[in-house]
Amino acid sequence: DTGVSQDPRHKITKRGQNVTFRCDPISEHNRLYWYRQTLGQGPEFLTYFQNEAQLEKSRLLSDRFSAERPKGSFSTLEIQRTEQGDSAMYLCASSPDRDTGELFFGEGSRLTVL
Amino acid sequence: AQSVTQLGSHVSVSEGALVLLRCNYSSSVPPYLFWYVQYPNQGLQLLLKYTSAATLVKGINGFEAEFKKSETSFHLTKPSAHMSDAAEYFCAVSGGGATNKLIFGTGTLLAVQP
Repeated sequence: DTGVSQDPRHKITKRGQNVTFRCDPISEHNRLYWYRQTLGQGPEFLTYFQNEAQLEKSRLLSDRFSAERPKGSFSTLEIQRTEQGDSAMYLCASSPDRDTGELFFGEGSRLTVL
Repeated sequence: AQSVTQLGSHVSVSEGALVLLRCNYSSSVPPYLFWYVQYPNQGLQLLLKYTSAATLVKGINGFEAEFKKSETSFHLTKPSAHMSDAAEYFCAVSGGGATNKLIFGTGTLLAVQP
């Protein structure tokens, strides 16, 4: 069990640029979640995958955000035309396909938009 | 809809003193409840979870929490604080349904004074 890994850990970009984050979940976990965390707040749910199917998207996930999980393995979260308000920590979590509710989190990708 | 409220965004205790972090939940179904800890610039680590078994749940690092349905509470305690306990603590409730996503509180930052 190597844990959930995220890449890059830190990204600094200029407003208007596109950024992409990658998440590699724990290998036997079918469920994958993306969360966003801003300073002083708890993580906020963005989207959920069951295998390769994206089954839920939060209203926080504007049209500039897109997430994929091809082949049900790793996942990517892309933000197009970044805005300063997108600056946050983006957390990925995975979970086995049984009803325990526990999520296993990666260390996050911190985005700073200048 | 499920939600959690954490009372006190900042708590400061002396080393060796009791730690008490408060969490109240709202849920239309029997909840699964969680406490996670987050150290600076890291992801979230599970401390403990309640999944409708024993109401007193023991977790890692000497923490425990008691589920009280009558008070809709799930407060986190530790008898004796250690400097290494300084971190941010999040209470979460499982949203249930097909996604089983976690809904987090706004967090409590615990400071431990020498």
